[in-house]
Amino acid sequence: TQLLEQSPQFLSIQEGENLTVYCNSSSVFSSLQWYRQEPGEGPVLLVTVVTGGEVKKLKRLTFQFGDARKDSSLHITAAQPGDTGLYLCAGAANSGGSNYKLTFGKGTLLTVNP
Amino acid sequence: GAVVSQHPSRVICKSGTSVKIECRSLDFQATTMFWYRQFPKQSLMLMATSNEGSKATYEQGVEKDKFLINHASLTLSTLTVTSAHPEDSSFYICSARVGSTNSPLHFGNGTRLTVT
Repeated sequence: TQLLEQSPQFLSIQEGENLTVYCNSSSVFSSLQWYRQEPGEGPVLLVTVVTGGEVKKLKRLTFQFGDARKDSSLHITAAQPGDTGLYLCAGAANSGGSNYKLTFGKGTLLTVNP
Repeated sequence: GAVVSQHPSRVICKSGTSVKIECRSLDFQATTMFWYRQFPKQSLMLMATSNEGSKATYEQGVEKDKFLINHASLTLSTLTVTSAHPEDSSFYICSARVGSTNSPLHFGNGTRLTVT
């Protein structure tokens, strides 16, 4: 069973601060995805990283995939109250044949206070 | 972009009754859909993989007779919680994959089930 350790689990910061969320595993993933979920809604895809060492930017969000494709980070610059939500990382790995299974981290509940 | 529609968004039922939740892919065909369960402020727990035209694949510890999954068409998968009990109260979310097997998932908006 592949596990994704996501940290921190809870994070409460002030508007304007920076933060980093980490996802770590001992397993190699073919890709890693980051989702954001608001209460009462389904997760929404933010980004997919595929190549080891890849860095992707989405406005104030920077995503990085580790060289060995075992870990990833999400960095938010100058956080805003609208960034509040549950952030989930999910690693994709082949589960047999042409099937890929997503393994989710436990999530990081981010609260940005005005 | 790809849209996954889940219905109902909220349902309250009495203990012992059964509840059906629908998951539809609106603008694409999904041979595979996934059903998750989520407890408050926690991550998603994969319950089962729904395969069009064949039996669903359940994760370890998930009772297949309790959570019936039917994927009769390329755009519809249903999850039926049979003989519901209060401990089945949870947020249930479906998802579907567009395109290649390594592409990301698109999620429905979830169903909040409350069993009284």
